[in-house]
Amino acid sequence: EPEVTQTPSHQVTQMGQEVILRCVPISNHLYFYWYRQILGQKVEFLVSFYNNEISEKSEIFDDQFSVERPDGSNFTLKIRSTKLEDSAMYFCASSDGTGGTGELFFGEGSRLTVL
Amino acid sequence: QQQVKQSPQSLIVQKGGIPIINCAYENTAFDYFPWYQQFPGKGPALLIAIRPDVSEKKEGRFTISFNKSAKQFSLHIMDSQPGDSATYFCAARNNAGNMLTFGGGTRLMVKP
Repeated sequence: EPEVTQTPSHQVTQMGQEVILRCVPISNHLYFYWYRQILGQKVEFLVSFYNNEISEKSEIFDDQFSVERPDGSNFTLKIRSTKLEDSAMYFCASSDGTGGTGELFFGEGSRLTVL
Repeated sequence: QQQVKQSPQSLIVQKGGIPIINCAYENTAFDYFPWYQQFPGKGPALLIAIRPDVSEKKEGRFTISFNKSAKQFSLHIMDSQPGDSATYFCAARNNAGNMLTFGGGTRLMVKP
């Protein structure tokens, strides 16, 4: 069964450092997403990406965040200067449709710990 | 208005019981309501979803009831099993975009 894969599974970093989280979406999917989940809390939308550009983003997705699809398979989330409150599980998701037609498939997440 | 409120936060039932998890929303532009199941250390996985043109949807032991006028929907798990122990999230998506708004989650424990 096709799946969304994420790396690394866990990253520990110092405050102020840059972090890049990587995702390989399901191959025929066109819509890509990042969500985050602070420990014990709900899953929060960060950004959606389609046709090589951001289609929607939340208030959380400020200037320190960026996304990129550097090649035909990877989708990355960069956090420029990490803060303690960025510690969370980051989930990548992909779908083949929008407007209610596409099921989101989530990866297993990348746990980010900022010290 | 983008919020989805979910209750209870946690729930313990005996094997064979029928846990019920409730969600409420305000945004009338929401038109797709999925439920996700999440096991520890894993990503959310779609369990079942409903659109507001139907009042109930059943898939196996999982049933969604939808009340459009009250802007509420709920998940029922029939004949619950210890393997159903997980965190359940309701979510909603509006017809104009891609963003899923999640409820706060319900941690379900099914005792043997």
